[in-house]
Amino acid sequence: AQSVTQLDSQVPVFEEAPVELRCNYSSSVSVYLFWYVQYPNQGLQLLLKYLSGSTLVKGINGFEAEFNKSQTSFHLRKPSVHISDTAEYFCAVSDRQNDKIIFGKGTRLHILP
Amino acid sequence: EAGVVQSPRYKIIEKKQPVAFWCNPISGHNTLYWYLQNLGQGPELLIRYENEEAVDDSQLPKDRFSAERLKGVDSTLKIQPAELGDSAVYLCASSRGQLSDTQYFGPGTRLTVL
Repeated sequence: AQSVTQLDSQVPVFEEAPVELRCNYSSSVSVYLFWYVQYPNQGLQLLLKYLSGSTLVKGINGFEAEFNKSQTSFHLRKPSVHISDTAEYFCAVSDRQNDKIIFGKGTRLHILP
Repeated sequence: EAGVVQSPRYKIIEKKQPVAFWCNPISGHNTLYWYLQNLGQGPELLIRYENEEAVDDSQLPKDRFSAERLKGVDSTLKIQPAELGDSAVYLCASSRGQLSDTQYFGPGTRLTVL
């Protein structure tokens, strides 16, 4: 069965420091991969997605993610975070064969001044 | 372009009462999703529509939950009767149609069952 694991429920990081939010998935078939962000009191919105091609995907607000098929991972990175990046980040996987989509439990990013 | 609209934003009811949530997707989006989001958790799919057809309702508790999407546009999600454990945020999202397409989420309806 398809599953998505976000290894860290909370990640504290100092402002202007780099950050990596981890996402691993289990699927025996081809997948589409997404990162969504939920700012306080707002709905989820897409940060970036991987469909095919280059394994390094760039998204909005300076975020990027790298698809690693051998490690079944899709970790999200930003080289320098800002206080406005405070939010909850969700990794999601669409199983192309079984026509399913699953979200991870989310990682709350805390930016420390 | 208007976003996904949901109403009400907040709802407080007593257990065993019925409740309904409404969603208006982005114009032209064929696919509509209803999710349940518990505190500290990610969205869990309840039902996915492609136009009027429910193509995935495997996670919808059909003994108390029902949904409809008449005319393939607006959708309503109903719970009858509500239980304490149904307290959560109910999210609606829409997309153009493929699983590769971006989902656009509404602000959600926060349900509290007393």
